[in-house]
Amino acid sequence: LAKTTQPISMDSYEGQEVNITCSHNNIATNDYITWYQQFPSQGPRFIIQGYKTKVTNEVASLFIPADRKSSTLSLPRVSLSDTAVYYCLVGDMSRFYFGSGTKLNVKP
Amino acid sequence: GAVVSQHPSRVICKSGTSVKIECRSLDFQATTMFWYRQFPKQSLMLMATSNEGSKATYEQGVEKDKFLINHASLTLSTLTVTSAHPEDSSFYICSAIAGSTDTQYFGPGTRLTVL
Repeated sequence: LAKTTQPISMDSYEGQEVNITCSHNNIATNDYITWYQQFPSQGPRFIIQGYKTKVTNEVASLFIPADRKSSTLSLPRVSLSDTAVYYCLVGDMSRFYFGSGTKLNVKP
Repeated sequence: GAVVSQHPSRVICKSGTSVKIECRSLDFQATTMFWYRQFPKQSLMLMATSNEGSKATYEQGVEKDKFLINHASLTLSTLTVTSAHPEDSSFYICSAIAGSTDTQYFGPGTRLTVL
């Protein structure tokens, strides 16, 4: 089972790019990497998912190196409303690991 | 697409009563749903896997007789907390699997307070 490791917290300022890295050294061949955003008292919200290389959507980019042992969520030009906890999830339907999350604090 | 709802969003009950929480996939069918609980400032803890038409699979340490799960249709799973006690007070979240990449989409959560 691919246990994940993330920094506990990060600080940033409005307008900056934020990169949050998740380590998953034991990732399996069939595992996808998914990132979620969670606000207090809400369910996690899907941000982005990838398998390898780079994936980009309207809110974020996900960088996955060739060995897939880590992944980096990139949030361009964060705002105060991006203050939340960010989780990476690695695995598939039958077994997966939900990390401890990274608390991102965006300051004005 | 891939919207999951939960009902109720918040419930307060007396100790010893049972509470049912519903999880629905609104725009897709989900053969597999998951139930989590989350304590303040902690990550999500998987409680059980709910499979349509079959028995749920519970994680180690989760009492199956206390947390009854029923997945009677492809769009609905229910979690019943039986004989609730104050220590069962928590934030309960469900998710449903959608798409070919086993992506989990989460409901908004249910805040349970047992007095």
